[in-house]
Amino acid sequence: GAGVSQSPSNKVTEKGKDVELRCDPISGHTALYWYRQRLGQGLEFLIYFQGNSAPDKSGLPSDRFSAERTGESVSTLTIQRTQQEDSAVYLCASSLVPGINQPQHFGDGTRLSIL
Amino acid sequence: GQNIDQPTEMTATEGAIVQINCTYQTSGFNGLFWYQQHAGEAPTFLSYNVLDGLEEKGRFSSFLSRSKGYSYLLLKELQMKDSASYLCAVRETGPHAGNMLTFGGGTRLMVKP
Repeated sequence: GAGVSQSPSNKVTEKGKDVELRCDPISGHTALYWYRQRLGQGLEFLIYFQGNSAPDKSGLPSDRFSAERTGESVSTLTIQRTQQEDSAVYLCASSLVPGINQPQHFGDGTRLSIL
Repeated sequence: GQNIDQPTEMTATEGAIVQINCTYQTSGFNGLFWYQQHAGEAPTFLSYNVLDGLEEKGRFSSFLSRSKGYSYLLLKELQMKDSASYLCAVRETGPHAGNMLTFGGGTRLMVKP
């Protein structure tokens, strides 16, 4: 597709369940990012993948959060034993190369609601 | 680490000009981005500044002063569709910086008739 694609668009689950969120970056984009956005707040960085380098996981809030990316393609963000505080929109973005002026292109996000 | 501040909300009138300010503190500055985000939608790229001065793109302009840690986004001839949140984001230098951005909390702009 032409843009970053995320699925599902909405996810409602019970506290304690695991969830998996998917991101398809723009073809050819080597860099991929996950962010979390709570209602009415700014974007909170979670994790960054660049090519085959080790990911930057410095933004992951706890060990319940993990993410994987195979090569330069799809990425999945997994949240284990979900808590109500995990309710947010999870945004994925990709960029062509981590060049100095390359903007990040965002998907529409997954709205996660923990009951 | 970084600290990015921008006003939470602003209101302006259709046809007018509005300036949205962003101040930042960073250990190694490597560029500033502005994004627009309509409610319930993804952020979309508006502008990029890495050198001091003004970048103009149609009705939107962005200014940067690195010595002051300050940027603003200027919107001219406001239209109702400009009602959105405007996000300031800073990239810093460093071995893991890559293209990683730190975002401010966003400024919610309401344009009134």
